Amino acid sequence: GAGVSQSPRYKVAKRGQDVALRCDPISGHVSLFWYQQALGQGPEFLTYFQNEAQLDKSGLPSDRFFAERPEGSVSTLKIQRTQQEDSAVYLCASSLRGQGKITGELFFGEGSRLTVL
Amino acid sequence: AQSVTQPDIHITVSEGASLELRCNYSYGATPYLFWYVQSPGQGLQLLLKYFSGDTLVQGIKGFEAEFKRSQSSFNLRKPSVHWSDAAEYFCAVGNQAGTALIFGKGTTLSVSS
Repeated sequence: GAGVSQSPRYKVAKRGQDVALRCDPISGHVSLFWYQQALGQGPEFLTYFQNEAQLDKSGLPSDRFFAERPEGSVSTLKIQRTQQEDSAVYLCASSLRGQGKITGELFFGEGSRLTVL
Repeated sequence: AQSVTQPDIHITVSEGASLELRCNYSYGATPYLFWYVQSPGQGLQLLLKYFSGDTLVQGIKGFEAEFKRSQSSFNLRKPSVHWSDAAEYFCAVGNQAGTALIFGKGTTLSVSS
């Protein structure tokens, strides 16, 4: 497809389970971002990739969160031992350009809504 | 650290009336500023952006925003609102490292007929 694709769109997990969320960016886009959006809040930055290199992971809330982009295209956000506070929409975005001042448009996917029971 | 404040959580405007959504930012240097819109079930879409130059920027769907350095503001405006404009609006600033956008908490716009 032409846009950023995320799967699954909805995920329900029991507390303590591991989850994996997938992001398929727009083909050829160098930059890839993960954001977490809690209910009624704005998106909060989690991590940034330039190609396969994870250049910024300062937003990951704990060591239970792990992201990878091994071939510089598809990315996976993994959350281990999920907790209720992890319930949120996880947004992926991609951008054509690499690091530097963010001048290019970020194209967002529709998000993966995670509910932890 | 950079931050963005959107003072209005929810605004209701009559269809055809003008709209202004407020955004204030905290940033040490010249900011890169953005407005995004999020409709239910859809991804965030860029409305407009400011990097430098003319402080009044035009965007898609008839929106415009004005950068005012003295007030640290980047308010979004539209002269005549349509029912389809009902959505969540987010103001954002680029971080200094160039690795992320920092978003405000958003303003929900409702349009009444």
